[in-house]
Amino acid sequence: QQQVKQSPQSLIVQKGGISIINCAYENTAFDYFPWYQQFPGKGPALLIAIRPDVSEKKEGRFTISFNKSAKQFSLHIMDSQPGDSATYFCAASSTTSGTYKYIFGTGTRLKVLA
Amino acid sequence: DSGVTQTPKHLITATGQRVTLRCSPRSGDLSVYWYQQSLDQGLQFLIQYYNGEERAKGNILERFSAQQFPDLHSELNLSSLELGDSALYFCASSVAGANTEAFFGQGTRLTVV
Repeated sequence: QQQVKQSPQSLIVQKGGISIINCAYENTAFDYFPWYQQFPGKGPALLIAIRPDVSEKKEGRFTISFNKSAKQFSLHIMDSQPGDSATYFCAASSTTSGTYKYIFGTGTRLKVLA
Repeated sequence: DSGVTQTPKHLITATGQRVTLRCSPRSGDLSVYWYQQSLDQGLQFLIQYYNGEERAKGNILERFSAQQFPDLHSELNLSSLELGDSALYFCASSVAGANTEAFFGQGTRLTVV
């Protein structure tokens, strides 16, 4: 119940294309869903986050879509650029159930071809 | 720059030794989290502190321990080190609980030889 399942494991997209990464969760107590971007040898950087009271959040080329009934959320990267090539992690957390931690998906390695 | 400072950046030590990793959270953040990331692996939660108190524990080995001091910086102590402990260790901080934005440091790369 504490897991967050992330797919795909790796993704190759042409420059200008749309990158889509999906995550699914079981614990309905989760109430915060961030996405992180990590470059090799660097710490994860917070990209965008969403709470269950909205179905979509957009920041620049990055959009989170959230489906509460399906317990799924996804990251869309529009107009993907080679500089977006990194590993992306979804995460989920809740304090209402006493889960004082962020549970991360297994990561998606994105490569954007020039 | 996330505002979270981790030292040292790199650490090479021998098996059986003990090391201490240090984390200074962002100004104003009360929560500190420790994560372990092995080569090409995900982020494994180790432990969380909030304002000096332990709040959550993950798959942290008994050889590992941590604490958060009154000035809110945190230390992760790893003892009786084994080759398999080689990994990136990240600290993250958030202003409150785990339903607020968390910011990660640049990590400490530990190599056990």
